[in-house]
Amino acid sequence: AQSVTQLGSHVSVSEGALVLLRCNYSSSVPPYLFWYVQYPNQGLQLLLKYTSAATLVKGINGFEAEFKKSETSFHLTKPSAHMSDAAEYFCAVTILTNAGKSTFGDGTTLTVKP
Amino acid sequence: DAGVIQSPRHEVTEMGQEVTLRCKPISGHNSLFWYRQTMMRGLELLIYFNNNVPIDDSGMPEDRFSAKMPNASFSTLKIQPSEPRDSAVYFCASSRDRSQFFGPGTRLTVL
Repeated sequence: AQSVTQLGSHVSVSEGALVLLRCNYSSSVPPYLFWYVQYPNQGLQLLLKYTSAATLVKGINGFEAEFKKSETSFHLTKPSAHMSDAAEYFCAVTILTNAGKSTFGDGTTLTVKP
Repeated sequence: DAGVIQSPRHEVTEMGQEVTLRCKPISGHNSLFWYRQTMMRGLELLIYFNNNVPIDDSGMPEDRFSAKMPNASFSTLKIQPSEPRDSAVYFCASSRDRSQFFGPGTRLTVL
């Protein structure tokens, strides 16, 4: 079975500061890893995904994540936060044979202070 | 291209009534997922289909919940009878290559 742990249910940063949202996963087979973002009153949107190609993955809106197998981590970063980044972020893991079923983390709410 | 379409967007009903939520996945996607999201329980997977066949319904909370996918372009989630604790946002998502694409959700309120 796969699992995901997102460290910190709430993260607050100042506008222009580095954003770091942490995700650790557990999987007995090579995983596919995802970050999704959910803005208020909307569904989740795919930010980026890791599918065993490059370990540094770039996504939309300036976000990127690095797959570190030795640390079983897939942390999400953005060099400079913008007010529009305020949202809830979900890390998810799936494996090749799961017909697309993903296990989601509990989410991290990002607040950006002016 | 149209994304995942859900209807209705909002539903207010009284306890005991039947509720049917509808979903049209993205054309060409072969997996479909129904989720429920609440403040207390977060995002929960209720059931998912692959090639129109239910694969895992272990997340369906009770027999009051049922889901169907009669063809590749349509799915329903039915609650009968509804209860106040079913109040939540229900999302449908579809997938082709393991990336999931979510609809806008149906906000259900059961009075």
